[in-house]
Amino acid sequence: DADVTQTPRNRITKTGKRIMLECSQTKGHDRMYWYRQDPGLGLRLIYYSFDVKDINKGEISDGYSVSRQAQAKFSLSLESAIPNQTALYFCATSDLRLENTDTQYFGPGTRLTVL
Amino acid sequence: RKEVEQDPGPFNVPEGATVAFNCTYSNSASQSFFWYRQDCRKEPKLLMSVYSSGNEDGRFTAQLNRASQYISLLIRDSKLSDSATYLCVVNDNQGGKLIFGQGTELSVKP
Repeated sequence: DADVTQTPRNRITKTGKRIMLECSQTKGHDRMYWYRQDPGLGLRLIYYSFDVKDINKGEISDGYSVSRQAQAKFSLSLESAIPNQTALYFCATSDLRLENTDTQYFGPGTRLTVL
Repeated sequence: RKEVEQDPGPFNVPEGATVAFNCTYSNSASQSFFWYRQDCRKEPKLLMSVYSSGNEDGRFTAQLNRASQYISLLIRDSKLSDSATYLCVVNDNQGGKLIFGQGTELSVKP
């Protein structure tokens, strides 16, 4: 089984709809991240969390919110989806104390299309 | 200036070729450096960490020049399976975040 899973893997929705993307991990890592990837722009950080009670904005948090329900779960919500939020979304985890490195491990991604 | 900049690519090379990717970073306080590989529409995966003394993993060699804030990746004897996008990644050394370059696409042809 994959260490970092994301659901759904693909989603098509309409402008104005509320969407939730979910991420779960079995690695036991304390840190979790949400990124979006657009062609030519690379990965951009949306939100990140260093433990259950810690939530931080990344460089492009507007229009998004997150919830860290447990150490293993980190969900991303689009409150009112708009077409320019069409992108590939990745969840990632890391744990500097456990792994002695800040290497991040990625889920398989969610392809979101907003019409 | 972008925090992490890479050769834009794409690089189109024949099998067996040697290819080098370059990357520069702007934060002189960065302490961790990586190369990730990303196949089309898939998640990025760690290829190798980059250490100050340089390091090698089979056909892959990574170099770090802190004074010039420059990182390189050399791939020798390219294989068709090396075709992917290579991401240069640097930590921000302030909050445990990683900064990703936009990636360099490599296409290895028969």
